[in-house]
Amino acid sequence: DAGVTQSPTHLIKTRGQHVTLRCSPISGHKSVSWYQQVLGQGPQFIFQYYEKEERGRGNFPDRFSARQFPNYSSELNVNALLLGDSALYLCASSSGPSLGMNTEAFFGQGTRLTVV
Amino acid sequence: AQKITQTQPGMFVQEKEAVTLDCTYDTSDQSYGLFWYKQPSSGEMIFLIYQGSYDEQNATEGRYSLNFQKARKSANLVISASQLGDSAMYFCAMKVYTGNQFYFGTGTSLTVIP
Repeated sequence: DAGVTQSPTHLIKTRGQHVTLRCSPISGHKSVSWYQQVLGQGPQFIFQYYEKEERGRGNFPDRFSARQFPNYSSELNVNALLLGDSALYLCASSSGPSLGMNTEAFFGQGTRLTVV
Repeated sequence: AQKITQTQPGMFVQEKEAVTLDCTYDTSDQSYGLFWYKQPSSGEMIFLIYQGSYDEQNATEGRYSLNFQKARKSANLVISASQLGDSAMYFCAMKVYTGNQFYFGTGTSLTVIP
């Protein structure tokens, strides 16, 4: 069975540019979450989507946006890139809508974004 | 607000020995779950073990066990019989019943020495 797949795996962008990251959840999973992991830190929550609706948003500027498609795949968009956006972006899928306290999330290998 | 604290930036352990990775948490919610994830250099977060706030017994999954001390708000991960493949970053995380996100600590880098 395929796990969570993310593309691309690595990306280099210039300040001010726009980037789109993609995620395909595990088959049957309807919830996708995005996390940003800056070097030396733990992942920070950006968004959660369930059934194409935004269910949660972390403390990130409006330059960050996301959407979920009918097949439950998701895109994370970041506009006007800053050097500080350089990070590993992780996508996580789960079966339920609001995760709950005991629902584990399955993570992809992430997209390593470098902004120069 | 939810917070996870991991105070050990790096740990070393001899192969076949046991090691404990520390995690303390802070939340005002009564219903929450505690997780440990392993992150190899490839980047993927691999789920290891889960403990619910109402679980009376400590969770165990193979060589992994979670030492849950609710009064102290600690959820330490114990890895028994360490293997070279255990070398990785380890993250403690929490979810609360009313929320929909993980709160992660800053991680502990574990190195297993042959």
